Amino acid sequence: AQKITQTQPGMFVQEKEAVTLDCTYDTSDQSYGLFWYKQPSSGEMIFLIYQGSYDEQNATEGRYSLNFQKARKSANLVISASQLGDSAMYFCAMREVTAGSYQLTFGKGTKLSVIP
Amino acid sequence: GAGVSQSPSNKVTEKGKDVELRCDPISGHTALYWYRQRLGQGLEFLIYFQGNSAPDKSGLPSDRFSAERTGESVSTLTIQRTQQEDSAVYLCASSNRGGANSPLHFGNGTRLTVT
Repeated sequence: AQKITQTQPGMFVQEKEAVTLDCTYDTSDQSYGLFWYKQPSSGEMIFLIYQGSYDEQNATEGRYSLNFQKARKSANLVISASQLGDSAMYFCAMREVTAGSYQLTFGKGTKLSVIP
Repeated sequence: GAGVSQSPSNKVTEKGKDVELRCDPISGHTALYWYRQRLGQGLEFLIYFQGNSAPDKSGLPSDRFSAERTGESVSTLTIQRTQQEDSAVYLCASSNRGGANSPLHFGNGTRLTVT
């Protein structure tokens, strides 16, 4: 079974609108971390936001927020007031702490296109 | 520079040749990771180094792949007898500790093309 599932291969959003990118995860660990990365066409991987499994509040970083629903094992990224520069691939990732290795497992990504 | 540095940025090699890819992590970062990204795909974990601990090699796809790290500095990923399916971007990342909340900081990658 996939550990990280991103069901939207591609998404379109109008400039200045909000958009939600879906991410569900699968783990039996109690302690884990969830990350979102942005990859523009230039190829660099840019860290956006982090949510810990024990965090009670949803994480926010500027225009990015994470809608964390632990019981549903979902960690959706919300981008408010979309900008043309937000057009990129977005990857959800998970780190399972108790496994002893601190690697991140990535989903297959969602390609976001912002329409002027 | 302050970021993760990878070299070369591009490498074209003939099938059957060996290649070495280099990664220079952010100074002070104890953890170092290698990932592979095939065209249009997500990131595939290869190997993880943390300080002087034994590396996690669980992601290496075959014994043609190996990696070394000298202390907490430079790492080299070696692919022997390259095959066409090895063509991909190889991304290196580092983090300042192995904690759950430490994000990975990525380099710009090495684009490997095997002809």
